[in-house]
Order: sequence, then structure tokens, then C-alpha cells
Amino acid sequence: GAGVSQSPSNKVTEKGKDVELRCDPISGHTALYWYRQRLGQGLEFLIYFQGNSAPDKSGLPSDRFSAERTGESVSTLTIQRTQQEDSAVYLCASSLSGSRQGTYGYTFGSGTRLTVV
Amino acid sequence: SQKIEQNSEALNIQEGKTATLTCNYTNYSPAYLQWYRQDPGRGPVFLLLIRENEKEKRKERLKVTFDTTLKQSLFHITASQPADSATYLCALSISGSARQLTFGSGTQLTVLP
Repeated sequence: GAGVSQSPSNKVTEKGKDVELRCDPISGHTALYWYRQRLGQGLEFLIYFQGNSAPDKSGLPSDRFSAERTGESVSTLTIQRTQQEDSAVYLCASSLSGSRQGTYGYTFGSGTRLTVV
Repeated sequence: SQKIEQNSEALNIQEGKTATLTCNYTNYSPAYLQWYRQDPGRGPVFLLLIRENEKEKRKERLKVTFDTTLKQSLFHITASQPADSATYLCALSISGSARQLTFGSGTQLTVLP
């Protein structure tokens, strides 16, 4: 597609339920990132996928969070047993990749606004 | 600990003036520094990238400087317009690490007509 697509755009869930967030990156972008943005705050790194390499999960805040990516396409971020502190906007981004990662800007989706009640 | 600081949470300027936003960092040796624009309810949009061996980069009304001695980047918008009102984020990428960008918390810019 023309851009990074995320779904749903909004999700309200009850505390303790599991949620799954989806990201469709730009075709040809081998790198995919998930970030979390709490209200009025900066972006917090969660996880990074690069091709078929093992993902960098160093930003996941707890074992309730997990993510998968199918090849170099769709990714899903799953939050189990949601807590109110999980309420935030979850942003996905993709980029071209190479040996010098930082040379390419990221293309972000519009995010999924998660509200845990 | 590593830290990225962007100047004052909010910056108001008059239309037509030059807006200058600051990004300071500590305990990083970034290879690249990027600036993004974020509008309410939207994801950040990439604006400019500058490498550690570059002093300045320009794109239309935008100019970015990068001083690795001062550990600072300045982001300038000349002839500012109300449409430039948004939150601007700086982000650092670490050399030799195929990892994620680390973002500052942003500066909210309002250009007053």
C-alpha cells in the first residue's frame, strides 16, 4: 500500500482481556518497529523486526507483551491480561534497511489508540 | 544514563519569524539524528536526517545543524506559517547498532497568525 496501515484505529477493552493490534508495513520495507506513546509523552521503543533475523525485543515492558511478523509483511502486537497502564497509542513504523540502519527515515502509521477500562 | 532533551514543552512564535527548536543529548554517540513532525492523532512524519560528519542540512524552509561537540542539534523553520504548528521530535540512531531510533519527547510549536 501507499503507507503503513494500522488496525484498529481505536480499541477499548476491559482490564484483564487480551488485545491484538495489527500493522501492515510498506511493501519492500524490511524493517518494522513498534512504539508506544502515552498521552503527552515521547515514543517508547517496544520491538524491532529486521527481515528473517531474530527480533529485538529489548523494549517490551513485560511478558504480557509479544509480537510476531510474517516474513517481511504483516505484524501483530499482542497484549495479554491488559492493565490500565497499557492505555496508550501504539505506533508501528517501517523503513528500508541496510547495514547503516539510521540512514533511512521511518514511515509511521496513524497508530492504534488503546484504552483499558 | 542516556538522555535526550528537547527545549521547552511549548514554543509560540509569530508568523513569518524563524522558529528554532533544540535537541540536546547526553551519553550518546549518535551516528545519525533525525527530525520528525507529529500532528494530533497522527503518527510522526520524517522530515530530515543529518549524519555525524555533517554540520548542516537544508530542505526548503527547514534547516538542521548537528554539533557533536556540544551534543546538540538545532532545527530551524524559516518564514514560519500557521500550518507549521505541530509537535517536532528529534531522534537518535546509534552507530554500529542495527537498532531502533530513540526519540525525544518533542517540542510543541504554535505559529500565531
